Amino acid sequence: DAKTTQPNSMESNEEEPVHLPCNHSTISGTDYIHWYRQLPSQGPEYVIHGLTSNVNNRMASLAIAEDRKSSTLILHRATLRDAAVYYCILLGGTSYGKLTFGQGTILTVHP
Amino acid sequence: DAGVIQSPRHEVTEMGQEVTLRCKPISGHNSLFWYRQTMMRGLELLIYFNNNVPIDDSGMPEDRFSAKMPNASFSTLKIQPSEPRDSAVYFCASRGGNFQETQYFGPGTRLLVL
Repeated sequence: DAKTTQPNSMESNEEEPVHLPCNHSTISGTDYIHWYRQLPSQGPEYVIHGLTSNVNNRMASLAIAEDRKSSTLILHRATLRDAAVYYCILLGGTSYGKLTFGQGTILTVHP
Repeated sequence: DAGVIQSPRHEVTEMGQEVTLRCKPISGHNSLFWYRQTMMRGLELLIYFNNNVPIDDSGMPEDRFSAKMPNASFSTLKIQPSEPRDSAVYFCASRGGNFQETQYFGPGTRLLVL
């Protein structure tokens, strides 16, 4: 499986934008980029996913580099509720959708 | 929709005892996953079912672990006998549609084996 690399931790202030980076230099052409997050004492929850084009939903935006070797999850206005561990995961056609979680990025949001 | 339901939410048991964790997936979902989370190993997949059939159990630690899915609305993960190193949070997740669809996770079962 292609690997992803994320910073161990990031900090932000409330109501400021947050850009969470992910490197995936060995991504294959059929790999989708998925983001999940895990709030304290909860199970992971889906955030967003994309293949080549940038994506927006009510939670976040996903910016994908033109060569697809990196991506950035953008939270437009961080709230205290966004404090969580964010996981960047690649899903390919041969993996049946198996989520392989790395260490993720611990996001701290300051009031 | 109640989401993925897991029971019990917390379990404390003594080494050597049998432990059974239960999961009710979201109605209509055809895939079910069991994950385990520990501080040392993070989140790891234990087993994956599709249409009630185990497809990949390569993550099951050893023979003490077994999982069943007798029907589309129920799955169990059993540990017999339990050991202190099995202490972890166990998550069940379900998914409908193809592999790119969202996985929905339950709240987890926090297991402590003394």
